[in-house]
Amino acid sequence: QSALTQPPSASGSPGQSVTISCTGVSSGVGAYDYVSWYQQHPGKAPKLMIFLVNKRPSGVPDRFSGSKSGNTASLTVSGLQAEDEADYYCSSYGGSNNWVFGGGTKLTV
Amino acid sequence: QLQLQESGPGLVKPSETLSLTCTVSGGSISSSSYYWDWIRQPPGKGLEWIGSIYYSGSTYYNPALESRVTISADTPENQLALKLSSVTATDTAVYYCAKGRVGAQETWGQGTLVTVSS
Repeated sequence: QSALTQPPSASGSPGQSVTISCTGVSSGVGAYDYVSWYQQHPGKAPKLMIFLVNKRPSGVPDRFSGSKSGNTASLTVSGLQAEDEADYYCSSYGGSNNWVFGGGTKLTV
Repeated sequence: QLQLQESGPGLVKPSETLSLTCTVSGGSISSSSYYWDWIRQPPGKGLEWIGSIYYSGSTYYNPALESRVTISADTPENQLALKLSSVTATDTAVYYCAKGRVGAQETWGQGTLVTVSS
């Protein structure tokens, strides 16, 4: 199974919006709605930010939103804040009871 | 509130077997609502799914690791276990256990660093 493709870096100024893409093979992102996004600060465990493409867990600010079009999922962070600076990973069901992660995107605010 | 805590040796010799335990508190690992994952992250690199175990006992593994991985559950102790055999330096990573639901890892342990070196 191949990793999902994410841009290595993204950036934005405080208050702006930024979108991070996640592209997968047709058996992954494009075929299932099991797409999730994780935020990871240095030295910390990942934190779930989005699941099922566009659902937010309790406690995650509504500045974070997810979407999917065809074979590409996206995470949008609106109203950027300094604490949003972190690594972001997408994940998708890859079929045959397997899961796959993207390579990660470093977001700089 | 559900919490997960990984534990095990921080140093393993090449060709030996890496063994880790994940202790779950605040919830039962035998709940049918969840499944349990092991995920790892080499230093400075991205996340890699290792495998999952479901309440039924069914296990699923990353094809790239399947020949070397075993995930099991100790229900009375409310613990999960990960064994990875014939390790090499490329298996050096932070290993996480996580609770899965609706296709996402909802809750993560803090992770434990395992270094493979002689």
